[in-house]
Amino acid sequence: GAVVSQHPSRVICKSGTSVKIECRSLDFQATTMFWYRQFPKQSLMLMATSNEGSKATYEQGVEKDKFLINHASLTLSTLTVTSAHPEDSSFYICSARTLAEYNEQFFGPGTRLTVL
Amino acid sequence: AQSVAQPEDQVNVAEGNPLTVKCTYSVSGNPYLFWYVQYPNRGLQFLLKYITGDNLVKGSYGFEAEFNKSQTSFHLKKPSALVSDSALYFCAVRGNTGGFKTIFGAGTRLFVKA
Repeated sequence: GAVVSQHPSRVICKSGTSVKIECRSLDFQATTMFWYRQFPKQSLMLMATSNEGSKATYEQGVEKDKFLINHASLTLSTLTVTSAHPEDSSFYICSARTLAEYNEQFFGPGTRLTVL
Repeated sequence: AQSVAQPEDQVNVAEGNPLTVKCTYSVSGNPYLFWYVQYPNRGLQFLLKYITGDNLVKGSYGFEAEFNKSQTSFHLKKPSALVSDSALYFCAVRGNTGGFKTIFGAGTRLFVKA
């Protein structure tokens, strides 16, 4: 199957700093990318959906000024957690899909963010 | 509104026995249905999907799932479980309206005992 990479896999930062997470589709062009957040022993919570070259669509309750998403190309999307706080600590997972709406999503390995 | 229910938090099965992980859904229109598996501290891996056609779908690692429209179910099955199948399994549904957003179930943890 298609491969999605995420970098970094783990990051620890101080409260108030910003953290950027990269998501890349390695062998296909991802017209749509998704960012999820997963709490321990819970399901994935969709944060936002982004289409290449367009502004991201955020889910209700997700602060777009705090979680900045950029989908600059068909193979790269970034999530920046601005002014991170301990409550932002979580497992962040990106996902990518090609154009057809019935296609499966391919997931990155996730990024564990810990804010001290 | 779309929804997915995985009624079991955990399923325990002995190695070599058949396993079933249950999933029911609610969606407007024809559903696109998916199963994913997640190993600890990893992203999700795609197992199989139902789009249209044959109700029995075969996927990766010997897994299969049966689409039942009348019961709005899409249970995941495997004839003979392996210890290495122990993981967290997510059912997901995508309707053909509302921007094709995928909704994930809460997940079912599968334990296969040797």
